[in-house]
Amino acid sequence: DQQVKQNSPSLSVQEGRISILNCDYTNSMFDYFLWYKKYPAEGPTFLISISSIKDKNEDGRFTVFLNKSAKHLSLHIVPSQPGDSAVYFCAASASSNTGKLIFGQGTTLQVKP
Amino acid sequence: DARVTQTPRHKVTEMGQEVTMRCQPILGHNTVFWYRQTMMQGLELLAYFRNRAPLDDSGMPKDRFSAEMPDATLATLKIQPSEPRDSAVYFCASGLVRGQPWVGELFFGEGSRLTVL
Repeated sequence: DQQVKQNSPSLSVQEGRISILNCDYTNSMFDYFLWYKKYPAEGPTFLISISSIKDKNEDGRFTVFLNKSAKHLSLHIVPSQPGDSAVYFCAASASSNTGKLIFGQGTTLQVKP
Repeated sequence: DARVTQTPRHKVTEMGQEVTMRCQPILGHNTVFWYRQTMMQGLELLAYFRNRAPLDDSGMPKDRFSAEMPDATLATLKIQPSEPRDSAVYFCASGLVRGQPWVGELFFGEGSRLTVL
C-alpha cells in the first residue's frame, strides 16, 4: 500500500526552464510534507517543506505547492540548473510527534545544459 | 559538522551469511530511523527508535531482520540469514523530534550498499 506516490520515474528538462515534480498521497491524516534531494552515492538531503496550513512555500528557486483537496503536491524549480540533476523524493508525515516520514518512489530529474 | 555516520559503506556477502550495519546518529537527536532504498518502493521505512526505545518495526521482515540501539551513539540493523532479495541501500536517519505538530527534518547518512550473492 503506497501511501505516497510519485508516478513519474523520470523527468528531463532544459537548463533555464521550469522543472515540475509531482507527488500524490492517499492518507488524509498527512499534514506535513517534505522534499528531499539525492545525489548518487549520497544520502538524501532536505530541500523544502510545507505544512498543511499553507498552500505554498518558497525558498529561492524552489517552490512547493500543496492542494489538500486533491491530495497532491508539486515541487517547482525555476530556473533549472544542471546541478539540480538528482533523484527527488516526496515525503509525508501525520500530525504527531513521531517524526515518521513516509516516502514516495522518487523521480529522477535530468537537467540538460 | 554534525552528520549521521554509517558503516560499512559497501558490503558484499553470500546468501545465508549474517550482516550487521551500524549507524552513529547526530549527537542530541532523539529519534533514529532505518530506511531501505529499492527501485520499486523508493525509501521504505524499516524501523525507528525514540530515546533508544523501539517505536515501530513493522516494516521489517521479522524472521530475519533485527534492529537495536544499544546506546545513544549506536544503532544497528542485523540481517540473519541474508538473502539476495535483501540487496539494497540501507539508510540511517536521525532527527530531533519534539513538540506537536513536528515540523522538522530528518538527517540521513550516506547509506550502506548491501549485495547478497
